[in-house]
Amino acid sequence: EVHLVESGGGLITPGGSLRLSCAASGFSFSDAWMNWVRQAPGKGLEWVGRIKSEHDAGTTDFAAPVKGRFTISRDDSKSIVYLQMNGLKTEDTALYYCTTLSGTFKLDYWGQGTLVTVSS
Amino acid sequence: QSALTQPASVSGSPGQSITISCTGTSSDVGSHDLVSWYQQFPGKAPKLIIYATTKRPSGSSNRFSGSKSGATASLTISGLQVEDEADYYCCSYAPGGALVFGGGTRLTVL
Repeated sequence: EVHLVESGGGLITPGGSLRLSCAASGFSFSDAWMNWVRQAPGKGLEWVGRIKSEHDAGTTDFAAPVKGRFTISRDDSKSIVYLQMNGLKTEDTALYYCTTLSGTFKLDYWGQGTLVTVSS
Repeated sequence: QSALTQPASVSGSPGQSITISCTGTSSDVGSHDLVSWYQQFPGKAPKLIIYATTKRPSGSSNRFSGSKSGATASLTISGLQVEDEADYYCCSYAPGGALVFGGGTRLTVL
């Protein structure tokens, strides 16, 4: 059974940094393209970014609002994907979900999310 | 990349069919069959119910179906049940490898 467990969320002041982790199990993590999706309180879903498998060069893509501030990395030996968030803004306040991305660009498995609150 | 357009809310009675539209552009929804739909209950993570515009993953009810015409994708739920009451989001592959979501539609079963 696939499990994705996010951690690392919390309260952070504007301009600060935070690193989220997503521990994966139940599938071949090294072959997976991993994504982050966020949801601001009471709002809709927003794609944040993705990291491809190392087999596919491990490259990353990001949504415009976070490009240049967020990075994604992975540790295939531990089956963990990370979201490093720098220069945080109040509008980054959201529940951050880790998801798998399979063929035909479907987000087929989701974690339960970790809440990030950016406030002074 | 702008969000896809969905109606904020739809409603229906048990047993009826409803359709939720998802309008994009010729660059995203209109250029491929890579639209997916997600169901989300309050306080829960989203769940994939349709992928590749028309396909259902295993475990997804056969009362859910997807279609597309031009730059508008649609999710139809037939034989509406009270337990279908949830938020529904469409998502499309977009230029440059991004994913773009719709704003979400709240389904109320009267």
